[in-house]
Amino acid sequence: QLQLQESGPGLVKPSETLSLTCTVSGGSISSSSYYWGWIRQPPGKGLEWIGSIYYSGSTYYNPSLKSRVTISVDTSKNQFSLKLSSVTAADTAVYYCVRELLGYYFDYWGQGTLVTVSS
Amino acid sequence: EIVLTQSPGTLSLSPGERATLSCRASQSVSSSYLAWYQQKPGQAPRLLIYGASSRATGIPDRFSGSGSGTDFTLTISRLEPEDFAVYYCQQYGSSPLFGPGTKVDIK
Repeated sequence: QLQLQESGPGLVKPSETLSLTCTVSGGSISSSSYYWGWIRQPPGKGLEWIGSIYYSGSTYYNPSLKSRVTISVDTSKNQFSLKLSSVTAADTAVYYCVRELLGYYFDYWGQGTLVTVSS
Repeated sequence: EIVLTQSPGTLSLSPGERATLSCRASQSVSSSYLAWYQQKPGQAPRLLIYGASSRATGIPDRFSGSGSGTDFTLTISRLEPEDFAVYYCQQYGSSPLFGPGTKVDIK
């Protein structure tokens, strides 16, 4: 059974860079047809897709966040990572890593990790 | 840019009743690219329906999806206690986009 697990700091200071890693187990991140992505959810609010990456390194990002987002992949560790720069309180959210069937849906989700932006 | 609207915002029903949730897109969406998710408090969303009408693995048949163009519907034929949750639709245009959600709560 495929599992995704987010890890990283739960508290980030304003203007700094948020960094999270997702470890995939029970399957290979190098599977064809699937992208690997990040989705966030501010407390009490809805879902926002951040961006996704293919195992080859091909990425695509939410246009509203593109200038601040970098997603990378490490196939040797079966992991992918998110960096979000110049964070503000508005970036406080639960961050989920997901498996994406490109163009269709998100079928596996990590449990989510709360990241709070505060000094 | 496509905008998704879900209605109603909150649906108050009793167990055993039928729930009908609406997702409307501001522009026509291919049915292949419309999905529904269920989210319970403190949990990650779970994929219910993809391709507008196909149930994901392990999803009970009381959940069904329908629609085309700009209007899509998620129907829960008989609400079970575990079905009270928030439901999101998601479309895939130039990039993934979620609707604001419909909360189904106990009347």
